Amino acid sequence: QQQVKQSPQSLIVQKGGISIINCAYENTAFDYFPWYQQFPGKGPALLIAIRPDVSEKKEGRFTISFNKSAKQFSLHIMDSQPGDSATYFCADSSGNTPLVFGKGTRLSVIA
Amino acid sequence: DTGVSQDPRHKITKRGQNVTFRCDPISEHNRLYWYRQTLGQGPEFLTYFQNEAQLEKSRLLSDRFSAERPKGSFSTLEIQRTEQGDSAMYLCASSFVRGEQYFGPGTRLTVT
Repeated sequence: QQQVKQSPQSLIVQKGGISIINCAYENTAFDYFPWYQQFPGKGPALLIAIRPDVSEKKEGRFTISFNKSAKQFSLHIMDSQPGDSATYFCADSSGNTPLVFGKGTRLSVIA
Repeated sequence: DTGVSQDPRHKITKRGQNVTFRCDPISEHNRLYWYRQTLGQGPEFLTYFQNEAQLEKSRLLSDRFSAERPKGSFSTLEIQRTEQGDSAMYLCASSFVRGEQYFGPGTRLTVT
């Protein structure tokens, strides 16, 4: 079964700093790589997703960068804010299989 | 709000009882997924539908679990003879075929 290896498990960042979360994948036939943000007691919310034909996608303070040769993609959160404190999940998708999630990264942004 | 909705949001039940959860997907989406999430873990796939057809079931889905999507719209997930190990957040998501999945708020199940 395909796996997604997410790191780090937890991350503490100063307010205004850059948060970086990495995911390594195995599946080479994916349709897109999404990142989800989840607050305690809530369902995961789609934050940003990248398709394989682009190497970077930016939405506001959130950027996904994709390194196809390394089979890795990363989430960068610029100017991190306390409201960004949540658990972030990367996932691997192929159109005919369900999402396979990483184990999550708990981000804490401290003032 | 036209997002994915789930009902109930919380369910407390005694071991051995049956429970049923409902999911209403985003109306244009033809795929509907069920996942289970335990504390500190990522969501784990249970089953999914394309329209009314159930296309895949995880080995996590024991024979006590059954899911339906009778008219290709809402879906129900039933757990029979609940066990304490069934305590988890049950998440529903929907999408177009090969599209991004959007999750509902989840149903928190506690089996006592």
